Amino acid sequence: GEDVEQSLFLSVREGDSSVINCTYTDSSSTYLYWYKQEPGAGLQLLTYIFSNMDMKQDQRLTVLLNKKDKHLSLRIADTQTGDSAIYFCAHDRGSTLGRLYFGRGTQLTVWP
Amino acid sequence: DADVTQTPRNRITKTGKRIMLECSQTKGHDRMYWYRQDPGLGLRLIYYSFDVKDINKGEISDGYSVSRQAQAKFSLSLESAIPNQTALYFCATSDSSGGRANTGELFFGEGSRLTVL
Repeated sequence: GEDVEQSLFLSVREGDSSVINCTYTDSSSTYLYWYKQEPGAGLQLLTYIFSNMDMKQDQRLTVLLNKKDKHLSLRIADTQTGDSAIYFCAHDRGSTLGRLYFGRGTQLTVWP
Repeated sequence: DADVTQTPRNRITKTGKRIMLECSQTKGHDRMYWYRQDPGLGLRLIYYSFDVKDINKGEISDGYSVSRQAQAKFSLSLESAIPNQTALYFCATSDSSGGRANTGELFFGEGSRLTVL
C-alpha cells in the first residue's frame, strides 16, 4: 500500500473551512509537511509540524497531528478562491534532512 | 530570478532520443534532488545528491542517470526516452546544515514538462 495516503479531490464553497486529511505508515518521522502546488508552478512549503507537537496554527492554517493514529490534517479557515491548488502531505520517515516522501496530492477546488 | 532554475520548461521528443534536463540553483544548498510528478501519483524521487561527489538512487531510477557538475548544477538524463517517461520533472534543493532553523524544507524549481511520443 501507499506510504502516505490522501484523498484526491475536495471541493468547498468560498468562505467555508477546508480540511485535507493524510495518513501515513511510518511513525519515525521528525517533521511532517504540507506543500502547495499552484497551476503551472512548483511546490512550495505551506507549513510543517514537528513530530512532538499535536497542533500548529499559522494564521488561517491549522495543522493537527495524531501520532497514535498516524493522521495529519490541514484546516484552512475562510477558504478563498486563491487557495485552489493541489496540496501534498509529506514526511521524512526520520531520514536525513531533505529526503521527503509525498502523498498523491489533494486537488482543492474553491467555488465562489 | 528564480532560486532554482530548470531548463527546458517544456520539451517534446521522440522515443529513443537522448534528453537532458538541467537544474541550477543560487541558494547555496548542498543537496539537490530530481522528482517526477504524474497525475494522481504524487511525486516520486528519481535521484538525489548530498554533495558533488555523492549520488544516490531514489525510488524510480531505472531509465535515468544524473550528473552533479558543480554544487549549483544537477542534470537529469534519459538515455533513450520512452513514452511512459512522459511526466513533469522537478528539481529541488535543501540545506544540510543542522540547527533549530532547519526543517528539511525542499525548494522546488518550476518544473520541466517532458512529452515522449
